[in-house]
Amino acid sequence: EEQLVESGGGLVQPGGSVRLSCAASGFTFSNFWMHWVRQAPGKGLVWVSRIGRDGSETNYADFVKGRFTISRDNAKNTLSLQMNSLSLEDTAIYYCARVRGAITTYYFDLWGQGKLVTVSA
Amino acid sequence: SYVLTQPPSVSVAPGQTARITCGGKNIGGKSVHWCQQKPGQAPTLVVHDDNDRPSGIPERFSGSNSGNTATLSISRVEAGDEADYYCQVWDSSSDHVVFGGGTKLTVL
Repeated sequence: EEQLVESGGGLVQPGGSVRLSCAASGFTFSNFWMHWVRQAPGKGLVWVSRIGRDGSETNYADFVKGRFTISRDNAKNTLSLQMNSLSLEDTAIYYCARVRGAITTYYFDLWGQGKLVTVSA
Repeated sequence: SYVLTQPPSVSVAPGQTARITCGGKNIGGKSVHWCQQKPGQAPTLVVHDDNDRPSGIPERFSGSNSGNTATLSISRVEAGDEADYYCQVWDSSSDHVVFGGGTKLTVL
């Protein structure tokens, strides 16, 4: 069974850091671009970041650029998101997601269960 | 940056057809994808590339895309279809994924 399972997160103070991980199983992880998407409580889905198959290409939403770093370890089938300089507005459920399709037709065909990151003093 | 506009809510009686719109400038020239999110769950894909369904998604779910509006149609609506629905595209000008704000489908 194809699966994505996030770990990490939790409660962090403003200005602090946290790392999310996403363990992939049931498919060839290195064949897929991977993304992070977040959802603030009661709000909609918002794209955060993406990383290419070999990790050499990354992109970020403007609101996280310079603070978040996406990475992957294909040997360990793991995707990561290092989140620094966190603010209250970063409180959200963070989902890792796999994409299919050509770059102009990206769609998310597999999602993790999500991990809550709460930024609070 | 590219903006997708969805109605906040749509209500429909069981057995009727629900239509959820997603507006964007010249969206007809892009591939539009739709996901469904039930309370407390992760999203799941229901339509991709305007009108293709992943395996396991009922034929009741279909999509269309032309001009400035894409539409997700759900025929013979069931209580189990009650969920939030999001449209999504790739914005090549910014190299970003863009989601619509989401539409809450209520089955009366």
